[in-house]
Amino acid sequence: GAGVSQSPRYKVAKRGQDVALRCDPISGHVSLFWYQQALGQGPEFLTYFQNEAQLDKSGLPSDRFFAERPEGSVSTLKIQRTQQEDSAVYLCASSAQQNYGYTFGSGTRLTVV
Amino acid sequence: TQLLEQSPQFLSIQEGENLTVYCNSSSVFSSLQWYRQEPGEGPVLLVTVVTGGEVKKLKRLTFQFGDARKDSSLHITAAQTGDTGLYLCAGDTFNNDMRFGAGTRLTVKP
Repeated sequence: GAGVSQSPRYKVAKRGQDVALRCDPISGHVSLFWYQQALGQGPEFLTYFQNEAQLDKSGLPSDRFFAERPEGSVSTLKIQRTQQEDSAVYLCASSAQQNYGYTFGSGTRLTVV
Repeated sequence: TQLLEQSPQFLSIQEGENLTVYCNSSSVFSSLQWYRQEPGEGPVLLVTVVTGGEVKKLKRLTFQFGDARKDSSLHITAAQTGDTGLYLCAGDTFNNDMRFGAGTRLTVKP
């Protein structure tokens, strides 16, 4: 497709459940980012890939969060043993190169109950 | 503490009025972007500014990047109800990642 695609669009998880969120970036985009956005806030940086290399994961809030992009295209953000504070919208963005601006997906809204 | 501070946090104005929102930091950025986000959607890129002092215009929107590349402003002339949304600035660090401000939530009333 022409844009960044994220799935699922909505996810309800029971506390303690593991979840996997998928991001399909724009074809050929080298850079891929994951952000977490709480209600009423701006996106908070989680992690960044350049091709398959994870260059920065300093924003991941705990070791329950893990991201991968094994072939340099599709990326998965995995959250283990979900907690209520993990409830947020998870946004994925991709970019062809630095300073070009980023194209975002519509996000996955995760609700942990 | 946010790397980028946006002000005001909320702004409610009448259609036809002008407004300016600000994005400030103590850090220098290689570039800065402005996005608009509507409920249930991801942010949509409005503009990228790269050079200190740069001014870009997009119809009724004027964007300025500070001379020192630490701050930016967005000015909207004759606001319309369709301008309602969350305006986010984001700075591209020299580590090739991008950090966002908390946003200015603009409401334009008819």
